[in-house]
Amino acid sequence: DGGITQSPKYLFRKEGQNVTLSCEQNLNHDAMYWYRQDPGQGLRLIYYSQIVNDFQKGDIAEGYSVSREKKESFPLTVTSAQKNPTAFYLCASGNLDRDNEQFFGPGTRLTVL
Amino acid sequence: AQSVTQLGSHVSVSEGALVLLRCNYSSSVPPYLFWYVQYPNQGLQLLLKYTSAATLVKGINGFEAEFKKSETSFHLTKPSAHMSDAAEYFCAVGRSSGGGNKLTFGTGTQLKVEL
Repeated sequence: DGGITQSPKYLFRKEGQNVTLSCEQNLNHDAMYWYRQDPGQGLRLIYYSQIVNDFQKGDIAEGYSVSREKKESFPLTVTSAQKNPTAFYLCASGNLDRDNEQFFGPGTRLTVL
Repeated sequence: AQSVTQLGSHVSVSEGALVLLRCNYSSSVPPYLFWYVQYPNQGLQLLLKYTSAATLVKGINGFEAEFKKSETSFHLTKPSAHMSDAAEYFCAVGRSSGGGNKLTFGTGTQLKVEL
C-alpha cells in the first residue's frame, strides 16, 4: 500500500535531549513537509524539501533540523534548543507538478518530561 | 502572502442538521483551496479541493464546498450531519509559486454532533 509512515506514534524525552522523528513515503513524491500542531493554532510549517539534499526553513524552524538524503525519507530532529517541543508533529508529501495537494502521515506526539 | 480565516473554532449541530463550516481566504493570485478532516490523534485526510475547475466541489462523505471569488470564501457544507462527522476540520490555501507548493492552514473548526 502506498502512503506515509511516521514513527514512533508516541515519544517521550527528557529536557536537554535531542530526538529524531521518522517520516517515510512510498508515493514517489518530490516534496516533503514537517508541521507542528498545537491546540487552537492549526498547522505551522517547520521545514520543507523539494528535492534530495535540499531543504528550506518554514515559519518556525528554530530549534529543529532536517535532512533529505533519500527521496523517500525526511527525518526531523527536535534539538534541545527548541524551547517548547511538546506538540503533535505531522509529516506530509506531495508532487510539485500537481495542485499543492499534500498527503499526511499519522503523526507523532512528542512529550517532554 | 496568503492567509486563511476559519470563523468559529467550535461548531455544534444536531444529528441530521445542516453542517456549515466557514472559511475565508486571502491570496494575491488564483488560489488552490482545500478542506481536510482530522480525527483525534490522527493525520489529516483530504475531504475536497478546488483547483480552478468547477466552483462547486463535491468531496467524500457527502461534503461539498463552493468557491466564491467575490466573497473570497470556500465554505464547507453537508446537508445532514452524522455522528461520525465529529472531528476537526481545516481549510487551507495554496498556489504553485516555485516555493515548494506550500499550504497555509486555518486554525481549525471542531465539529460536535449531538443526538
